[in-house]
Amino acid sequence: DAMVIQNPRYQVTQFGKPVTLSCSQTLNHNVMYWYQQKSSQAPKLLFHYYDKDFNNEADTPDNFQSRRPNTSFCFLDIRSPGLGDAAMYLCATSWLAGASSYNEQFFGPGTRLTVL
Amino acid sequence: AQKITQTQPGMFVQEKEAVTLDCTYDTSDQSYGLFWYKQPSSGEMIFLIYQGSYDEQNATEGRYSLNFQKARKSANLVISASQLGDSAMYFCAMREEGYQKVTFGTGTKLQVIP
Repeated sequence: DAMVIQNPRYQVTQFGKPVTLSCSQTLNHNVMYWYQQKSSQAPKLLFHYYDKDFNNEADTPDNFQSRRPNTSFCFLDIRSPGLGDAAMYLCATSWLAGASSYNEQFFGPGTRLTVL
Repeated sequence: AQKITQTQPGMFVQEKEAVTLDCTYDTSDQSYGLFWYKQPSSGEMIFLIYQGSYDEQNATEGRYSLNFQKARKSANLVISASQLGDSAMYFCAMREEGYQKVTFGTGTKLQVIP
């Protein structure tokens, strides 16, 4: 089945130790998103790729970076995790074909990050 | 700017009863799409239903229907015949024409009581 896969499902890292979360998709969607979601809150968009074009949210800290080496894969790098970065990180994909395209987002299962 | 408002932080419903989750939105655009997602405690976001701003009929998907009132800018989700497995967070979301971003509301936590 076509899907969005996130690895690992659970990640524990130490304060200040770089960590990379990965997302892959078999849907061949052209847009990939990274969200941060803290307990009982709405997902907060960090950035997204439209094909190879990177779109950063204005309030996303510089500590968060992303790479999309090809259509299928997208990575979230946290250069120096702080305690406040502990959260669920959700990857999503969507197929957008033109301005009037409203296809839904498909989400991966998420990676729950713990910072010690 | 897009804005989604979900005024019910938590809701209870008896099993087999219907429940309505409220969502209002604010946009100056004429063309947009509205979405509802379900998020169980496992964390995965599950797409439920979509309504386009130009759709004349209310969207339905199985036990889910969307009560779309464009003039009032509301897009309420109706779940009929609630099941225990419907207990989850529910998020309303919107995408405006020409934007890749989706804006989410703060969510409503639904608990189905046996």
